[in-house]
Amino acid sequence: EAGVTQFPSHSVIEKGQTVTLRCDPISGHDNLYWYRRVMGKEIKFLLHFVKESKQDESGMPNNRFLAERTGGTYSTLKVQPAELEDSGVYFCASSQAFGVQETQYFGPGTRLLVL
Amino acid sequence: AQSVTQPDIHITVSEGASLELRCNYSYGATPYLFWYVQSPGQGLQLLLKYFSGDTLVQGIKGFEAEFKRSQSSFNLRKPSVHWSDAAEYFCAVGAMEYGNKLVFGAGTILRVKS
Repeated sequence: EAGVTQFPSHSVIEKGQTVTLRCDPISGHDNLYWYRRVMGKEIKFLLHFVKESKQDESGMPNNRFLAERTGGTYSTLKVQPAELEDSGVYFCASSQAFGVQETQYFGPGTRLLVL
Repeated sequence: AQSVTQPDIHITVSEGASLELRCNYSYGATPYLFWYVQSPGQGLQLLLKYFSGDTLVQGIKGFEAEFKRSQSSFNLRKPSVHWSDAAEYFCAVGAMEYGNKLVFGAGTILRVKS
């Protein structure tokens, strides 16, 4: 069974440009999460989808970030326009059932560098 | 506010030596506790988790962790470290009252010397 996959693995863009990150969860997992780690600090929660609906987006930093999950399958996270402080590693995770006790399976992350 | 502290940014141990990685949390609710490991180029992999019951939890790769409510700690241990254990380790906390999100510590990088 394939794990959580993320694309691209790395992205280098200039300040003001737009970047779109993609996450494909494990097949059958209704719950999808985005997290971010900036410059060796804590991994921080961004948002949680249940199928195509946003369950919790309390961690989204500002309106430059837009997350979507078309048809409840893969998800995209768009940053527009990107700022220097958006640099970091963006992780996606998925879980089969709802609940914090459910194991969240993480992808390898997308390393974003904004110059 | 929820927070997780991993006091050690880096730890170096000799192969075959024992290991203990510290984790302290601050949580108002009954915590769900996790340890994840990230090897280079890989995603975070769950080592073990604790919800209730026996406070000593066994995980994969020979790791275990002990929940101590009085100390608000969930330290990770391994009796004999292998070179392949070199990685970054993350402690995380969740609670039903705060939804499904996990709150992570800053991570501890483990180096293993031969």
